[in-house]
Amino acid sequence: QKEVEQNSGPLSVPEGAIASLNCTYSDRVSQSFFWYRQYSGKSPELIMSIYSNGDKEDGRFTAQLNKASQYVSLLIRDSQPSDSATYLCAPGSSGGSYIPTFGRGTSLIVHP
Amino acid sequence: EAGVAQSPRYKIIEKRQSVAFWCNPISGHATLYWYQQILGQGPKLLIQFQNNGVVDDSQLPKDRFSAERLKGVDSTLKIQPAKLEDSAVYLCASSFAILQGYEQYFGPGTRLTVT
Repeated sequence: QKEVEQNSGPLSVPEGAIASLNCTYSDRVSQSFFWYRQYSGKSPELIMSIYSNGDKEDGRFTAQLNKASQYVSLLIRDSQPSDSATYLCAPGSSGGSYIPTFGRGTSLIVHP
Repeated sequence: EAGVAQSPRYKIIEKRQSVAFWCNPISGHATLYWYQQILGQGPKLLIQFQNNGVVDDSQLPKDRFSAERLKGVDSTLKIQPAKLEDSAVYLCASSFAILQGYEQYFGPGTRLTVT
């Protein structure tokens, strides 16, 4: 059973700051990672996918993957109050059998 | 492109009653997942289908939960009889293919309250 660890938070940052969300995982086979955003009372929404070591940027979001350290992070630049949500990390698979496992999520609060 | 559809959105039942949830995945998505999400926790996989076959149901409480995906399209999750601890949001998700690394797209969920 894969283990996915996230700090539950809440992580509180001021508007305009950089929010840094972290995730560690136990499964060395995982080749891809996904970040989902979940607003209160809503379902998770896929916001970032990363498939290789290094950084992937998409607008204000940057995902960083370090497979050797089994660590993935999500940076949100110029944080906005609308970014306030729970962010879930989930390892993916490059193929074969895949049983999804989610972390418990990190609650982010961006205050004006 | 239409998203994942779920119904009902809310359900309140008494313990020991039965309930059923329905899910229709995104067109063309072969993989369908049912999750249980308790407040403050991440989604917990209950069952995963690939077309109409079960890939994993190791965390499904089979004495009370059942699920089916006839014809490899929509799916139904049933609880009978319900317990108080089944109060949660039940999420359905679907994904397309291995090449996408199993990116999942979620429906709006069904909030179940067992009294």
